[in-house]
Formats: sequence, C-alpha cells, structure tokens
Amino acid sequence: EPEVTQTPSHQVTQMGQEVILRCVPISNHLYFYWYRQILGQKVEFLVSFYNNEISEKSEIFDDQFSVERPDGSNFTLKIRSTKLEDSAMYFCASGRSGPLEQYFGPGTRLTVT
Amino acid sequence: KQEVTQIPAALSVPEGENLVLNCSFTDSAIYNLQWFRQDPGKGLTSLLLIQSSQREQTSGRLNASLDKSSGRSTLYIAASQPGDSATYLCAVKFGNFGNEKLTFGTGTRLTIIP
Repeated sequence: EPEVTQTPSHQVTQMGQEVILRCVPISNHLYFYWYRQILGQKVEFLVSFYNNEISEKSEIFDDQFSVERPDGSNFTLKIRSTKLEDSAMYFCASGRSGPLEQYFGPGTRLTVT
Repeated sequence: KQEVTQIPAALSVPEGENLVLNCSFTDSAIYNLQWFRQDPGKGLTSLLLIQSSQREQTSGRLNASLDKSSGRSTLYIAASQPGDSATYLCAVKFGNFGNEKLTFGTGTRLTIIP
C-alpha cells in the first residue's frame, strides 16, 4: 500500500541553523501539507500546497518557513534560522483532492539545541 | 474560534469491552471529520473519514458517527484488544472546500488492559 515517507526520522541542529525536512508524498496525490506537534501538545497545521503554490498557511508559518516541490516526487519544508521553540515532530501529509482523506507520514523529530 | 475537544484525555478498559471515544467541535459548519490513531513516537494512521453529509462510517470493529447539529462525533470500538492501545485523535476540516487545514483535538490515550 502506498505511503508517505519522510527523511530524516530525527534531526538535531543548533539554534540559528537552516534545516530542510524532506517528504515523498503518495504518487498520485495533488495536495500536500505540513503539520507539527510540539511534545505533549496538539497537532497544528502549518501550510498546504497545491498546483505549485501555497494554498493556505497558519500564523506559525512565518517568513522563516518555506516549502518547495523541487521535482515530481519530493516536497520539502525549510526553516531558515531555527529557534529553540521550533523543536517538534513535523508531519508531512498528502491527499488526492481537497475533500478527501489526508495521509500522514511517520514524522521527523526536530531538536534545536 | 474553531476548536476541537476530546474528553477524556485518557481511558483504560479491560480487554473485550466495547468503548466510545468522544470528540466535540465548536462550529457545526464542517466539511469533514477524520479519526486517526497515533502510536507513541509514531505518525498518524487514518482510521475513518466522515463527510459532512454522512451520519456514520464503519471499518471492521470501528464505527464513527457524526452529529453536526450538536457538534459531536464518536468513535466506537467493538471487542477491544490490547493492540488497540494508542492515542486516538479527532481532526475536523471546518468550512468549505477552500479550507485545507485539519484542526486537531488533543486526543484520548486509550489503554486496553489484558
């Protein structure tokens, strides 16, 4: 069964460094999402991406964040200058269309020291 | 503000019992609702999706219901097994087609006692 994959599973970085989190969505899906979950808190929406552009973003998704679909298979989240409060589990999700189910990847645990 | 609440935060039941998990949401104008399972340190596994026009969905031992007017959804698990132990998350897509994001509850951590 097709699934969303994410790399790396765990990333440790120093405050102020740039990180890129990578995702490979399910191949025939057209809608792509990033969410995050700070330890012990709710899963929070960051951004949605469709037709090579951002379709919706949350207040969390400020100028430090960017997303890209550099080729036909990868979907990336970049954090330009990480802060301690960016430490969280980051989930990528994809969906065949807006109204249908979103399928989540296993997550990347980001630790900022 | 559109919010999703899940009570209780944790639940323990003996193996074999049937159980119900609750989800409530503040705005009855929803597009769909999705139930997920999350194992410790792992990703989210989609269990069931209910569209706003539907009253319930079933998959195996799981049955999810939706009552938009009262702002509630329930996830019924029949004949619980130790392997059902996990955190169950409810997520709502509010509004219309153009609203892409899922709004999550804090989850109910379920423990099935052998």
